[in-house]
Amino acid sequence: AQKVTQAQTEISVVEKEDVTLDCVYETRDTTYYLFWYKQPPSGELVFLIRRNSFDEQNEISGRYSWNFQKSTSSFNFTITASQVVDSAVYFCALSAWNSGGYQKVTFGTGTKLQVIP
Amino acid sequence: DGGITQSPKYLFRKEGQNVTLSCEQNLNHDAMYWYRQDPGQGLRLIYYSQIVNDFQKGDIAEGYSVSREKKESFPLTVTSAQKNPTAFYLCASSFEGEGNQPQHFGDGTRLSIL
Repeated sequence: AQKVTQAQTEISVVEKEDVTLDCVYETRDTTYYLFWYKQPPSGELVFLIRRNSFDEQNEISGRYSWNFQKSTSSFNFTITASQVVDSAVYFCALSAWNSGGYQKVTFGTGTKLQVIP
Repeated sequence: DGGITQSPKYLFRKEGQNVTLSCEQNLNHDAMYWYRQDPGQGLRLIYYSQIVNDFQKGDIAEGYSVSREKKESFPLTVTSAQKNPTAFYLCASSFEGEGNQPQHFGDGTRLSIL
């Protein structure tokens, strides 16, 4: 069984502060993928990053960075110098091939980030 | 531009009525998915389809039906058997095969009961 836990339901930060969104996952698969998606108020989920289970290198993309640690089953997301446009709900997701042969994606419950000007 | 189009954006259902949510994609993706989003519960999979004329139940398929007659289209019908249909519905698509490609999402349809 797959499980993704985002313990932080809502976070509020003041603009320009750094913020880290936590994601902890559970899976029995040795090959899996982790994702982060952003859901702005418009509703659609926007893909941010994909990381496979064999690649533990951290990644930085502009103000965004991701810390993948298999030892603690965590895939945390940090926004540096937050901006009002970062206000959204962020979802962490885990994907692995199930016995039916399709990509089963399990989403966390999301973290709502509010950046206050 | 390529993408996924969901319509309508807002939908109201009367008691005993079936309603159909539209999802069209021009990304040439093989797989399509329907999710339901409720407050505080993340996304839950209703149905998915890997190829035309084939689809499988997800985790919460009861009260829903789908069809996949064309690669580009994956409509979802919310039947009268679904007693609690009020939710935000998201359609997604992706390429199939190994590599677990990221899913691309539409803007969603918000369904409410009249």
